[in-house]
Amino acid sequence: GQNIDQPTEMTATEGAIVQINCTYQTSGFNGLFWYQQHAGEAPTFLSYNVLDGLEEKGRFSSFLSRSKGYSYLLLKELQMKDSASYLCAAPYNFNKFYFGSGTKLNVKP
Amino acid sequence: DVKVTQSSRYLVKRTGEKVFLECVQDMDHENMFWYRQDPGLGLRLIYFSYDVKMKEKGDIPEGYSVSREKKERFSLILESASTNQTSMYLCASSLPTGTGGRAGYTFGSGTRLTVV
Repeated sequence: GQNIDQPTEMTATEGAIVQINCTYQTSGFNGLFWYQQHAGEAPTFLSYNVLDGLEEKGRFSSFLSRSKGYSYLLLKELQMKDSASYLCAAPYNFNKFYFGSGTKLNVKP
Repeated sequence: DVKVTQSSRYLVKRTGEKVFLECVQDMDHENMFWYRQDPGLGLRLIYFSYDVKMKEKGDIPEGYSVSREKKERFSLILESASTNQTSMYLCASSLPTGTGGRAGYTFGSGTRLTVV
């Protein structure tokens, strides 16, 4: 079966660095995605990892360890607009995605 | 700019009504999906389609049906709306598996449905 776990909520300070973890168990592996979702809006694509290691994209980076079934999203120089939910997702079978419940990030001044 | 368009942003319907939620994508994607999102439950897959006139049940298909007569359009139908179908409905499309990162979803802006 599929199982994705991530923390429910995190709080961090503007300008700081925060790491959002995700552990997954999937039958077959086709990569690991991260999406950002602001309240009341649709999720938007942030990153995709299929090989082990760190992928950096501006202030956001995503890490994957396939042997450990583990990924994290790293957000640097936090801004107030980064307050959102962050969804970890893994595709399986015809591109169905299994989503984690999301981590709500609160950025405080 | 590529897009997935959902016909309504907010919708209020009465119990027992038949409800149609429309979704159109302009990216020539094979795969299309309907999810509902509820607090604490995350996104749950209702139905998906990997080709015209093809459809497969997701995890929570009860009370719903779908239609895909054209590649760009995927409709979700609530046969007889009930209050427990009050939710945010998200449509998404994607390329098939094997296209790497491009297989990620593009979501529509969502329809917040309230059944009273």
